[in-house]
Amino acid sequence: QKEVEQNSGPLSVPEGAIASLNCTYSDRGSQSFFWYRQYSGKSPELIMSIYSNGDKEDGRFTAQLNKASQYVSLLIRDSQPSDSATYLCAVYTGNQFYFGTGTSLTVIP
Amino acid sequence: EAGVAQSPRYKIIEKRQSVAFWCNPISGHATLYWYQQILGQGPKLLIQFQNNGVVDDSQLPKDRFSAERLKGVDSTLKIQPAKLEDSAVYLCASSLNRVSIAFFGQGTRLTVV
Repeated sequence: QKEVEQNSGPLSVPEGAIASLNCTYSDRGSQSFFWYRQYSGKSPELIMSIYSNGDKEDGRFTAQLNKASQYVSLLIRDSQPSDSATYLCAVYTGNQFYFGTGTSLTVIP
Repeated sequence: EAGVAQSPRYKIIEKRQSVAFWCNPISGHATLYWYQQILGQGPKLLIQFQNNGVVDDSQLPKDRFSAERLKGVDSTLKIQPAKLEDSAVYLCASSLNRVSIAFFGQGTRLTVV
C-alpha cells in the first residue's frame, strides 16, 4: 500500500464550478498535510497546509482533514482556467514527507 | 527573499556517464531534500539532510547516487554511472526545520540517452 494515494484523473470541470480533489494516507501517526500545485514543467508550489481536523479556508481554496478516516481533500471554488495543473497531496509522518502521484485538473473555459 | 536555487536547469548525458546537480537552499533553512520526479509521478525522496548530516537516505540508490552537504548550506547530488531510467526531474527543496513547509527549487531535468 502506498503511503499517499490520489486519483490520477484527469479531472475536468467547467469554469466557475467547484473542483474537488481527494487524498488518502496510510500512516495514522501523520501530523501535517499539504497541497502543492504543479504546472507542467514547473516545480511544486505550496498552496495549502492543514494540521488539525476540520476545514481550513484560504481564498478560493478549502482544505478538509479527517484523521479518523485518514482522508484529506482540497476544494477549489469558482475554478479558473489558470487553476489547470497537477495537484499533489503531501503528508508528513514525523519522519519524512510522502507525496501522492498527483491529480491532473483541467478547467474548461 | 531568494528561493531555492538549482543548476543546471537541463542536462542531457549518455548512459554510463556521470552528472552532478547543485542546490542552494533558502538562507537559514536547516533541512534540505533531494527528490526525483519521473514523468507522471509524484516526487520521491532520495535523501534528506539536517544541516550537514543525513537524516534519511533509505531510497537513495547508493551504488550510483551520492549526495553531500559539507558546510550545511549548498548541496550536490551526483549520479555515476547514469542509467536510462534515471531520466527525471531532480528537485531540491528546503525547509526551516524537519517539520516545516518545504519550498522547492525549479528542478534539473535530466535526460539519459
